[in-house]
Amino acid sequence: DTGVSQDPRHKITKRGQNVTFRCDPISEHNRLYWYRQTLGQGPEFLTYFQNEAQLEKSRLLSDRFSAERPKGSFSTLEIQRTEQGDSAMYLCASKESGSYNSPLHFGNGTRLTVT
Amino acid sequence: ILNVEQSPQSLHVQEGDSTNFTCSFPSSNFYALHWYRWETAKSPEALFVMTLNGDEKKKGRISATLNTKEGYSYLYIKGSQPEDSATYLCAYWGLYGGSQGNLIFGKGTKLSVKP
Repeated sequence: DTGVSQDPRHKITKRGQNVTFRCDPISEHNRLYWYRQTLGQGPEFLTYFQNEAQLEKSRLLSDRFSAERPKGSFSTLEIQRTEQGDSAMYLCASKESGSYNSPLHFGNGTRLTVT
Repeated sequence: ILNVEQSPQSLHVQEGDSTNFTCSFPSSNFYALHWYRWETAKSPEALFVMTLNGDEKKKGRISATLNTKEGYSYLYIKGSQPEDSATYLCAYWGLYGGSQGNLIFGKGTKLSVKP
């Protein structure tokens, strides 16, 4: 079990640029989640995958955000035309099943700063 | 809009003090309540997953209780140590708006333990 890894750890970008983050989940986990956390708030759900299928996306999420998990393994989260309000910690987590009683395993996150 | 509330927001205690935090969540359509510990510069780590009313779980000096009828959970730390300093997050998994697949997090309680 090598854990969930995220890349990069930090990203600084200028407003209007596109950014892409990568998440490698624990290999046998079929569920993968993306969360966003801003200062003083708890992690906010963005989207999740069951294998390669994106099953749910937050209704609060802008169309500038898109996520993929093409082969049911790693996932990417892309933000187009970044805005300063996108500055946050982006967390990826995986779990072994859709069962509500199995815990999430988180990565260390990608901290995005939009200048 | 579903709310998961945690109190207090922050807590400063001396080494050796015992402490407790509260998580309140919707009591209807409840499936599970998760507790996570998030240390600075690390990834959130699962402490407990609780599903049954009256559940009590223990891990070393940390324990948690669950009341699903009134919608609250308590996390207790006995004899706090500096290494317990972290943000403690609770998260609710319930049936809402057609979604059954993700956790709703509270804002967390930030604990600082002074030696």
